[in-house]
Amino acid sequence: GENVEQHPSTLSVQEGDSAVIKCTYSDSASNYFPWYKQELGKGPQLIIDIRSNVGEKKDQRIAVTLNKTAKHFSLHITETQPEDSAVYFCAASNDSWGKLQFGAGTQVVVTP
Amino acid sequence: SQTIHQWPATLVQPVGSPLSLECTVEGTSNPNLYWYRQAAGRGLQLLFYSVGIGQISSEVPQNLSASRPQDRQFILSSKKLLLSDSGFYLCAWMRQGRVPSGYTFGSGTRLTVV
Repeated sequence: GENVEQHPSTLSVQEGDSAVIKCTYSDSASNYFPWYKQELGKGPQLIIDIRSNVGEKKDQRIAVTLNKTAKHFSLHITETQPEDSAVYFCAASNDSWGKLQFGAGTQVVVTP
Repeated sequence: SQTIHQWPATLVQPVGSPLSLECTVEGTSNPNLYWYRQAAGRGLQLLFYSVGIGQISSEVPQNLSASRPQDRQFILSSKKLLLSDSGFYLCAWMRQGRVPSGYTFGSGTRLTVV
């Protein structure tokens, strides 16, 4: 089955700097890669996703890149703000049933 | 618009007691439904998923079971809770389709078994 590894586990950045989180996946058939943001005590929220036929996608300060050859994808947050502090999860799926395999999560702390 | 409801928000149960967590989705029909557990505030483990009424697939052998008695209702149960069942339980739904798309998660249930 699919295995997703996520790094780093913790990331501290100064407000205004960029944050990058990286994930690798094992199943070359995986074709859908979402990213979720989870605030304390809440359910994860989808923030951006990318499909295997696209190399990069942007939404305001958030971007995701995908390298299918190397089987890794990354989340980039620019001009970080304190409200970006949360746990971020990457995930991968190759499954029409929609089963997602999640990474272990990255705790992002943005300090003013 | 679609919404997902999960309850209760928190639950403290003694070891050996039964469990029933409920999840309902509004504003869509025939969704894929999922139960995940999150331990120690981090990784998400898929427990069960369902693609239709009465159709349940289990991902991990355990002390829990799931049922889907109606199209937009998903229930997580246990006959006798163990200490190891403590965790944050999340229900999610996804629109059915040929290709996967993003989940929408509920707000979760924090279960503490004492």
